[in-house]
Amino acid sequence: SQQGEEDPQALSIQEGENATMNCSYKTSINNLQWYRQNSGRGLVHLILIRSNEREKHSGRLRVTLDTSKKSSSLLITASRAADTASYFCATDVTGYKLSFGAGTTVTVRA
Amino acid sequence: NAGVTQTPKFQVLKTGQSMTLQCAQDMNHNSMYWYRQDPGMGLRLIYYSASEGTTDKGEVPNGYNVSRLNKREFSLRLESAAPSQTSVYFCASSDKGSPGTQYFGPGTRLLVL
Repeated sequence: SQQGEEDPQALSIQEGENATMNCSYKTSINNLQWYRQNSGRGLVHLILIRSNEREKHSGRLRVTLDTSKKSSSLLITASRAADTASYFCATDVTGYKLSFGAGTTVTVRA
Repeated sequence: NAGVTQTPKFQVLKTGQSMTLQCAQDMNHNSMYWYRQDPGMGLRLIYYSASEGTTDKGEVPNGYNVSRLNKREFSLRLESAAPSQTSVYFCASSDKGSPGTQYFGPGTRLLVL
């Protein structure tokens, strides 16, 4: 079974609004990563947060990690049409193998 | 740098046919991976190679074989294709020294009739 599960499955927002998606996982991790996939393309790494970190920022992205609840959230601020994509969380348990969730599909309306 | 490349981009097979999906990376990464992506399922790991000369089964290895030809290349073979193997296949690589960040190829869409 998959280690990580994203919530919600789909999200539709207006351009300029913020988008928040969550990821829950089952076992202890080394780190948690977020990836983006545009339609018909491969996945692109967005951000990595280590198990001893609680919050991380990269441009308009903010990731939090709560290891006590085994959950993470990805916030995209001031969304743009180009942010329309599927977003996946992936957990690193072994140091070289990732386990992916089923993803959240984000649609940004103009 | 091309990153991770995959061939072919699209393939149609008949049930029982065989084929090999090719993957190459030019980032000098030690680890390489094969995933399949089905609607609503996310990515599932088929096989991986933590370093040149080693391969290990992932979550869904049945019906597949792999070869780590050298440090750059990692191929996935379907010996007798089945309709259940209709999927999008992604190859990825990562550096042993990094904490698991993976770089993905563009994918191969496979349709088995």
